[in-house]
Order: sequence, then structure tokens, then C-alpha cells
Amino acid sequence: DQQVKQNSPSLSVQEGRISILNCDYTNSMFDYFLWYKKYPAEGPTFLISISSIKDKNEDGRFTVFLNKSAKHLSLHIVPSQPGDSAVYFCAASPTGTSNTGKLIFGQGTTLQVKP
Amino acid sequence: DVKVTQSSRYLVKRTGEKVFLECVQDMDHENMFWYRQDPGLGLRLIYFSYDVKMKEKGDIPEGYSVSREKKERFSLILESASTNQTSMYLCASSLPPGQYTEQYFGPGTRLTVT
Repeated sequence: DQQVKQNSPSLSVQEGRISILNCDYTNSMFDYFLWYKKYPAEGPTFLISISSIKDKNEDGRFTVFLNKSAKHLSLHIVPSQPGDSAVYFCAASPTGTSNTGKLIFGQGTTLQVKP
Repeated sequence: DVKVTQSSRYLVKRTGEKVFLECVQDMDHENMFWYRQDPGLGLRLIYFSYDVKMKEKGDIPEGYSVSREKKERFSLILESASTNQTSMYLCASSLPPGQYTEQYFGPGTRLTVT
């Protein structure tokens, strides 16, 4: 059972426009969420995170939004740049006593930003 | 900066061979993880370790084993490689479960089993 889902395998946007990547989760115990970015032949690198006490977190061009009632989060990249072309994974984890240190990852979304 | 290194970037092995993938981290992290990444399936956890000589199965442990004799080193072993184990293997490390814990990944090993 896929507890974290990224339903769009791929997304293509024009340089300078907004990229919106979506992620849904089913486990209500998840309260910490992360986005990772992965280039081909490299390991994933941490991009941005959000805890369930917030509904928005910004870091430069990257903003993550969390809608707890819908069990949905999204990553916005504005403006998109060709160097943002990569696979993006969302991940989730419970905190507190349920936290084992494991992250549950989605399937990934491949973003292509066209010049 | 956290550094996680993996022994090989690319590896080609034959069916039935025993394969060792090594991972080393330099940040004194307690937790270490092995994942495999396949298109459309995301990152799937094979095994993780939360201390020396301690290990727990992840979601897809069949056909794999692990070894953690030292805190900084976590090895993934394919006892008898098969073609369906052709994949990208990623190692990660993290601090013990805390309030907010991110994982740091190595560059990955692209394993091809022929």
C-alpha cells in the first residue's frame, strides 16, 4: 500500500513559469514532510521540509504548502529554471514516539524545464 | 558538510555472483539505510540500521543482507545476484529519530546484473 503518492510521473514547464509538484499521503500519523531533488547518476539531495504545525514554508524560489485536512502537499518553484530539471521525491515521516527514523518516499515526479 | 560515499558508481556482475556494496559516512550518524530506486517505484527501503550490529528489514529485503560492524560503515550484500536486482542502489544516513530528521544520501551505485 503506497502511503505517499506522487500521481504525476512527469511535468514539463517553460523557463520562468511556475512549476507545481503534488504529493498525497494516507497515513494521518505523518507530520513531517520533505522534498528531495535528484539528478541522474547522483544521490537525492534535501530541498525543503515542512512540519504539520505550519501550512507553508519558503526557501528562495521554493515553497512547500501543506493541507493537512486533504492530506496533500505541493512544491512550488518560481521562477523555474532549466537547472531545476530533475526527479523530485516527496517523503513523509511521523515524529514523536512513532518516529523510527524511516522516511516513506513517493514514486517521484520528473520535472523538465524548457529554455 | 555530511559526506556519504559509496564504493562504486557503476558495477556489472553476473547472475549468481555474490555482490558487496559498501557505504561510509563521516558524520557519526547512528542511522544508516539502503534503498533501491527503480523508475516509477520511487525509493524503496531494503534494510536499515540504527546502531552497530543492529539491523531491521525494510520493505523489500528478499535477496539481500546487510552488515554493520562499525558505526561509519554499512554494507549491502546480494547473496546471489539476479537480473531483477539490476537497479540504482542508494545509501543514506541520519541522526537518531528526533523531532525533524533528514537523511543524507550517497551518490548511488548503478548495478547491472547480466
